Amino acid sequence: QVQLVQSGAEVKKPGASVKVSCKASGYTFTNYGITWVRQAPGQGLEWMGWISGYNGNTKYAQHLQGRVTMTRDTSTSTAYMELRSLRSDDTAVYYCARDLAAIGTGNWFDPWGQGTLVTVSS
Amino acid sequence: QSVLTQPPSASGTPGQRVTISCSGSSSNIGGNTVNWYQHLPGTAPKLLIYRNNQRPSGVPDRFSGSKSGTSASLAISGLQSEDEGDYYCAAWEDSLNGWVFGGGTKLTVL
Repeated sequence: QVQLVQSGAEVKKPGASVKVSCKASGYTFTNYGITWVRQAPGQGLEWMGWISGYNGNTKYAQHLQGRVTMTRDTSTSTAYMELRSLRSDDTAVYYCARDLAAIGTGNWFDPWGQGTLVTVSS
Repeated sequence: QSVLTQPPSASGTPGQRVTISCSGSSSNIGGNTVNWYQHLPGTAPKLLIYRNNQRPSGVPDRFSGSKSGTSASLAISGLQSEDEGDYYCAAWEDSLNGWVFGGGTKLTVL
């Protein structure tokens, strides 16, 4: 079955970076993309960006441009999300989800990974 | 402040039908399709409805979606206790060139 398994929880200090992984199985990784979404405590869902599993093209949320980098390793069917210059308000559960191979307005996210808690605290 | 507006809460008794609304504008719902996600406590979000009214395989037909103009709705019929959780609408926002979510609606089964 299609499954996305994410790396474990992280605790980081303000100003540091974090890199979360998302390993895909049960489908051809290069036929789809990966979207990243986060949820801060008590808040709603926030789209962070997308990466194509096919060619590595990316699209980032405007407010995260310059701080986030998404990459993928097709040999291991794994996507990565790195967030730099962490602040306390980056504390959130980070989710990856399967998206389509090309960014588009008619896409959807299915399934989702189990989530990775990133805590930013001094 | 979310770009898409949802009521913060909704409730119903077992067996009832409830509707959750999602209001947007011409730059998101008005010109693009809407997806709905269910987020139950302690689990990952799950796709419920895509492209306004399409149900993925495995999603019961108790769940249905619709869209009209700049608003969309999720209807849940035959409400069950396991439906209790948060529900989010999502659409592409042309001005941001990215996806936006509603603030979420917490559904309580009384």
